[in-house]
Amino acid sequence: GQNIDQPTEMTATEGAIVQINCTYQTSGFNGLFWYQQHAGEAPTFLSYNVLNGLEEKGRFSSFLSRSKGYSYLLLKELQMKDSASYLCAVLDSNYQLIWGAGTKLIIKP
Amino acid sequence: EADIYQTPRYLVIGTGKKITLECSQTMGHDKMYWYQQDPGMELHLIHYSYGVNSTEKGDLSSESTVSRIRTEHFPLTLESARPSHTSQYLCASSALLTDYNEQFFGPGTRLTVL
Repeated sequence: GQNIDQPTEMTATEGAIVQINCTYQTSGFNGLFWYQQHAGEAPTFLSYNVLNGLEEKGRFSSFLSRSKGYSYLLLKELQMKDSASYLCAVLDSNYQLIWGAGTKLIIKP
Repeated sequence: EADIYQTPRYLVIGTGKKITLECSQTMGHDKMYWYQQDPGMELHLIHYSYGVNSTEKGDLSSESTVSRIRTEHFPLTLESARPSHTSQYLCASSALLTDYNEQFFGPGTRLTVL
């Protein structure tokens, strides 16, 4: 079966750095997405990785290791508005997105 | 402005009613999707479409149906709503590219069936 694992909840302090991990086992791989979802709202796109390595985009970076079935999202200089759920999703061999349950990130002052 | 629209945003109805959730996009996208999401849970794909006259069932068993008569419009219909249908329904669209499949989401419809 297909499976995506990420921690249910994480807590971090404003101004700090946090790393949200995602491991996956899917039938095929055509890329990995990270989305941000604020409570009661729709997901919004953050990043896409298909090659191994780190992609940096402002305060957010995403890393992929295809051989390990592993990705992480790194958030720097945390702000209160970063409190949200972060969803990891993998594009499988049929080009369908398989979604993780999301990691709820709580930012404390 | 390119966007995805869903109506209604909130709906409270009684058991047994027939309802249609509307979704329209002005993104020019061919692929469209319907997801169901309970609070704190993952998104479950219930229907998707590659384009006009194309509809496919997703991985979540559902008593809903969809139609795709126009590229920009992808309504979801529940013939007989039940309390188990209470959830958030998200519509999304993406370009018909096979190597990059970023999905853009509408604001969602929060459905409560009494």
